Amino acid sequence: EVQLVESGGGLVKPGSSLKLSCVASGFTFSSYGMHWIRQAPKKGLEWIALIYYDSSNKYYADSVKGRFTISRDNSKNTLYLEMNSLRSEDTAMYYCANWEYWGQGVMVTVSS
Amino acid sequence: DIQMTQSPASLSASLEEIVTITCQASQDIGNWLAWYQQKPGKSPQLLIHSATSLADGIPSRFSGSRSGTQYSLKISRLQVEDTGIYYCLQRYSNPYTFGAGTKLELK
Repeated sequence: EVQLVESGGGLVKPGSSLKLSCVASGFTFSSYGMHWIRQAPKKGLEWIALIYYDSSNKYYADSVKGRFTISRDNSKNTLYLEMNSLRSEDTAMYYCANWEYWGQGVMVTVSS
Repeated sequence: DIQMTQSPASLSASLEEIVTITCQASQDIGNWLAWYQQKPGKSPQLLIHSATSLADGIPSRFSGSRSGTQYSLKISRLQVEDTGIYYCLQRYSNPYTFGAGTKLELK
């Protein structure tokens, strides 16, 4: 069974940093490009980052470019999203996905 | 960036009714189009990939079609469990973009 399990979310103040993790199982993680997608409360879906299967390429949405960093450790079947200089508009549920499978999401709330 | 214009924003339909949701891409995306269903408090579930291919385990009442840069999701006989929000996604080029969503309710 394919599983993607995110963790690391929470309530932080504006300007803070946070690092999300996504542990994958049930498929060959090292063969897939992986994405982070977020969904603000009561809003639609927003793609924010992609990392190739071998970390050779990384792409970001303009809304997070320069503040967020996507990375992965294929030896640990784990995807990461390091988030710096957090803003109130980053408040959202964050999902990791390979497009076919999605995690359950982890909530990030940025508020003073 | 490629814009995905999804319609309608909301839809109320009766059991067994045929339902169609549409996404219009702002440029050619080939068959790089997927459809997702999201239920309250849950992550999106893949229904259709490559514009017309049914994802594993998805009932055959769901189908996808393409006409140029217009893509459609059709539910042939609406069931109670089909309520939720539906999103299209273009996977042709980054930034990957979703439609704004269609909220489907039972009448």
